[in-house]
Amino acid sequence: GQQVMQIPQYQHVQEGEDFTTYCNSSTTLSNIQWYKQRPGGHPVFLIQLVKSGEVKKQKRLTFQFGEAKKNSSLHITATQTTDVGTYFCAGLSGTYKYIFGTGTRLKVLA
Amino acid sequence: SQTIHQWPATLVQPVGSPLSLECTVEGTSNPNLYWYRQAAGRGLQLLFYSVGIGQISSEVPQNLSASRPQDRQFILSSKKLLLSDSGFYLCAWSATRWKDYGYTFGSGTRLTVV
Repeated sequence: GQQVMQIPQYQHVQEGEDFTTYCNSSTTLSNIQWYKQRPGGHPVFLIQLVKSGEVKKQKRLTFQFGEAKKNSSLHITATQTTDVGTYFCAGLSGTYKYIFGTGTRLKVLA
Repeated sequence: SQTIHQWPATLVQPVGSPLSLECTVEGTSNPNLYWYRQAAGRGLQLLFYSVGIGQISSEVPQNLSASRPQDRQFILSSKKLLLSDSGFYLCAWSATRWKDYGYTFGSGTRLTVV
């Protein structure tokens, strides 16, 4: 079945450093979503990418969708302690359901 | 505005006992509804989804079941819990038509089977 992998699994950064997580799918995706889950909390939707090569920005966060629509990345510039959490990508499988990636847990050291 | 309610927040149940988790959505009609499970420190595993009343699609064969008795109500059940059923259960909804809003998750239920 469809698999969505993320790397790295864990990342520790000093506050102010940049951070990137990569998402790779075994199949072509019609679109991809990104979520953030704070420790002890539930996932919260961040953004959706639909077009091949699409790039979207939210303040310090930059999201990219690969040209082949099989991979995506999330880049955070100048991390802050509020960025702590687990970041998940999710790829659309079929019409109604998203398959979530394995997640990248980010820790920011002050 | 739309809201999603999930309860209870935490639950400790003995092995072999039944389970019933409830999720309701307000402020929208005909939502797509989902149950996910997250093991400690792990990703999200899709268990069931529903695109309408009485319509349930199962993703993982196990001793869990789901029902949708009303448009905005989604229930996760088990007749006999196993130790391996422990985890963080999350209900989510999405609009029936494609929208750029993604899933909205409930606050989750932390289930510990002892």
